[in-house]
Amino acid sequence: GAVVSQHPSRVICKSGTSVKIECRSLDFQATTMFWYRQFPKKSLMLMATSNEGSKATYEQGVEKDKFLINHASLTLSTLTVTSAHPEDSSFYICSARRGQQIFPSTDTQYFGPGTRLTVL
Amino acid sequence: QKEVEQDPGPLSVPEGAIVSLNCTYSNSAFQYFMWYRQYSRKGPELLMYTYSSGNKEDGRFTAQVDKSSKYISLFIRDSQPSDSATYLCAIRRGGAGSYQLTFGKGTKLSVIP
Repeated sequence: GAVVSQHPSRVICKSGTSVKIECRSLDFQATTMFWYRQFPKKSLMLMATSNEGSKATYEQGVEKDKFLINHASLTLSTLTVTSAHPEDSSFYICSARRGQQIFPSTDTQYFGPGTRLTVL
Repeated sequence: QKEVEQDPGPLSVPEGAIVSLNCTYSNSAFQYFMWYRQYSRKGPELLMYTYSSGNKEDGRFTAQVDKSSKYISLFIRDSQPSDSATYLCAIRRGGAGSYQLTFGKGTKLSVIP
């Protein structure tokens, strides 16, 4: 299968602190990873696309200085929420693209289990 | 008009019923279609992946795509309480470099024992 892990699964922090969330593809290499945010009873909102070895591409309205993304290797991407505030409290989910060179039609994303961030 | 429309439900059915979940999309550039299942407080899990019109079956799940109507469906046969979750349709454009997914809002399903 295609397994993606996230760490931590849950974090509670004080306002003003920074929080780092890790996303790892465990059994495949992911040149592209995605970071989503999900509010209660809402669908996934794409925040940014992370490409290994290059700068992330942020969606409109997402502050890149607030949400720092580093995709340092083919199996690891990190999201750092800097100077977190209560409004940053949310469920953050990453996904990793598993591309198929021979069969591009099976190119799809596999999701991590999510990280619940609570900022006090 | 949103790119993907999905009725959020909630949908409640008795155990053993056939469940039909649907999405419509507006842009014919979308070529790949997925269904994800998301349990509460968990990440989405890929259930089905299709890229052509017609049916694709996997166990109790059948994904159906009608590109002419821009309509996709997921059928669950012999539904079980463990199927209770939110089901998200997701679509992707064709062509190289088109990796982003566009998600529906998700339909919350409850299967009652």
